[in-house]
Amino acid sequence: ELQLVESGGGLVQPGGSLRLSCAASGFIFDSYWMGWVRQAPGKGLEWVANINQHGSEKYYVDSVKGRFTISRDNAKNSVYLQMSDLRAEDAAVYYCARTGSIWDFWGQGTLVTVSS
Amino acid sequence: DIQMTQSPSSLSASVGDRVIIICRASQGIRSDLAWYQQKPGKAPKRLIFAASSLQSGVPSRFSGSGSGTEFTLTISTLQPEDFATYYCLQHDSYPLTFGGGTKVEIK
Repeated sequence: ELQLVESGGGLVQPGGSLRLSCAASGFIFDSYWMGWVRQAPGKGLEWVANINQHGSEKYYVDSVKGRFTISRDNAKNSVYLQMSDLRAEDAAVYYCARTGSIWDFWGQGTLVTVSS
Repeated sequence: DIQMTQSPSSLSASVGDRVIIICRASQGIRSDLAWYQQKPGKAPKRLIFAASSLQSGVPSRFSGSGSGTEFTLTISTLQPEDFATYYCLQHDSYPLTFGGGTKVEIK
């Protein structure tokens, strides 16, 4: 069964850092692009970042460039999102997704709250 | 950046109605478009990929059409379980962008 399980969300102060993890199972992880999408409370979906199969290509939405870093460990079937200098507007549910040209499967999300 | 304009932002419909949701891209995206359904507290679920291909397991009352800049999602006969929010996604070029969403509510 295909699974994506996010973890690492929580409450962080403005300016703080957080590392999200996404553990994948049920498919050949290193054959797929992976990415992160976020959804602020009561709002729509926003793509955040993508990474290719080998980690050699990474793309980000402008609002997180220089602050967020996507990475992956194919040996651990995991993708990560390192978030720093967090702002109130980064508060959202963060979803991990299998992306590239298919965008077919998403995890259940992890909530990030940014507040003092 | 490619803007995805989704309309309407919300609609009220009855069970059995035909519902059409439109996404317009600010420039051509070939057929690199997917449609998702999202229910409260849940992750989005893909309905349509490559603009018009039905995801396995999704009822045939859902269909997608279009290419280039104009795309539609049609629900031929609305069912009670279809009340949800729907989003389009263009994955043709970065930054990838979603439509603003269409909330389908019960009339």
